[in-house]
Amino acid sequence: AQSVTQLDSQVPVFEEAPVELRCNYSSSVSVYLFWYVQYPNQGLQLLLKYLSGSTLVESINGFEAEFNKSQTSFHLRKPSVHISDTAEYFCAVSVANAGKSTFGDGTTLTVKP
Amino acid sequence: DSGVTQTPKHLITATGQRVTLRCSPRSGDLSVYWYQQSLDQGLQFLIQYYNGEERAKGNILERFSAQQFPDLHSELNLSSLELGDSALYFCASSPAGSSGYTFGSGTRLTVV
Repeated sequence: AQSVTQLDSQVPVFEEAPVELRCNYSSSVSVYLFWYVQYPNQGLQLLLKYLSGSTLVESINGFEAEFNKSQTSFHLRKPSVHISDTAEYFCAVSVANAGKSTFGDGTTLTVKP
Repeated sequence: DSGVTQTPKHLITATGQRVTLRCSPRSGDLSVYWYQQSLDQGLQFLIQYYNGEERAKGNILERFSAQQFPDLHSELNLSSLELGDSALYFCASSPAGSSGYTFGSGTRLTVV
């Protein structure tokens, strides 16, 4: 079975500061990795994903994540955050081609002015 | 609009009652997933359907059941409701495989 650990439940940062949200996973087989974002009173939205190929993946709004197989990690980073990035972020893992995803407990990112 | 439609958005019902949550997947997606989100347990996978057939089962209680119809919409039936069933219920869909989900906006169930 797969599992996901998001190492920080809450991350407060100031606007324009860099941020890293940490995610470790456990699996004995090949996996796909995902980051989702959930804004208040909304559903989750897929932010970025690693399926294969380049270990560095990027989103359209400046986030990036790097798949590190040796450390079983998929940390999410952004060099300069905005107030509008305030949301809850979920890391998820699924067995390659299996469909079902297992989610971490989420990290609440709060960007302060 | 994500393309995944969930109805109703809010539901308040009494203990012991039965409710049905409905989900229409994004056009072209064959897989439907149901998740329960609560403050104490996070996002818990309930069940997956693929093209009308049950594909995977998670922590779904025996009081809960689901199905996917020929037009690919899905329903989650919750019966003998308890206070602890109060939560957000999300439906998500994906194409064949596991390239990431598209989530609906959820149904907030409150059991009183």
